[in-house]
Amino acid sequence: EDQVTQSPEALRLQEGESSSLNCSYTVSGLRGLFWYRQDPGKGPEFLFTLYSAGEEKEKERLKATLTKKESFLHITAPKPEDSATYLCAVPNTGFQKLVFGTGTRLLVSP
Amino acid sequence: GAGVSQSPSNKVTEKGKDVELRCDPISGHTALYWYRQSLGQGLEFLIYFQGNSAPDKSGLPSDRFSAERTGGSVSTLTIQRTQQEDSAVYLCASRPGGGGETQYFGPGTRLLVL
Repeated sequence: EDQVTQSPEALRLQEGESSSLNCSYTVSGLRGLFWYRQDPGKGPEFLFTLYSAGEEKEKERLKATLTKKESFLHITAPKPEDSATYLCAVPNTGFQKLVFGTGTRLLVSP
Repeated sequence: GAGVSQSPSNKVTEKGKDVELRCDPISGHTALYWYRQSLGQGLEFLIYFQGNSAPDKSGLPSDRFSAERTGGSVSTLTIQRTQQEDSAVYLCASRPGGGGETQYFGPGTRLLVL
């Protein structure tokens, strides 16, 4: 069964304190791994798509990396405005839907 | 260009009443999805429309849930005889189609069943 697991569930950082979020997945034939950011009361906002092991993508203080079993979202010198829930998802085997993890709630304190 | 829009943004209803939720996808996107997000839960797939093909309804939790997509654009999710466990955020997403592309989400409709 296609499955996505994210850790930790919640993470509290001080401003400037770098860290990483983990997303491990089980799917038959990976056809992309998606990272989204979700702010309270809003829909998920697309961040990155990764397609193959070894691929990396960056956006401001965020860098996403991909291996054959997991993806990491690295946050470098975070700011309070980076506080959000970060969601990871993969298309299911038939690509009819995205299978989401339960997310990591990130809180960055000034 | 406008993103995915959903209406209403919030809906409060009484148990047993029917509700309709609307989604306007990004213009030109052929694929449309409905998901449900309950408190503390991940996003749960409900239904998928792709062009003129028959929709994939495999995620609908009961026969009280139905959805349609008119003219390959606007979609309506209908919940009949609402129950308290239907309270959740209902999210719509669209993508260009063709496989492999990103899904873009709307802001969601927050449904509360009293």
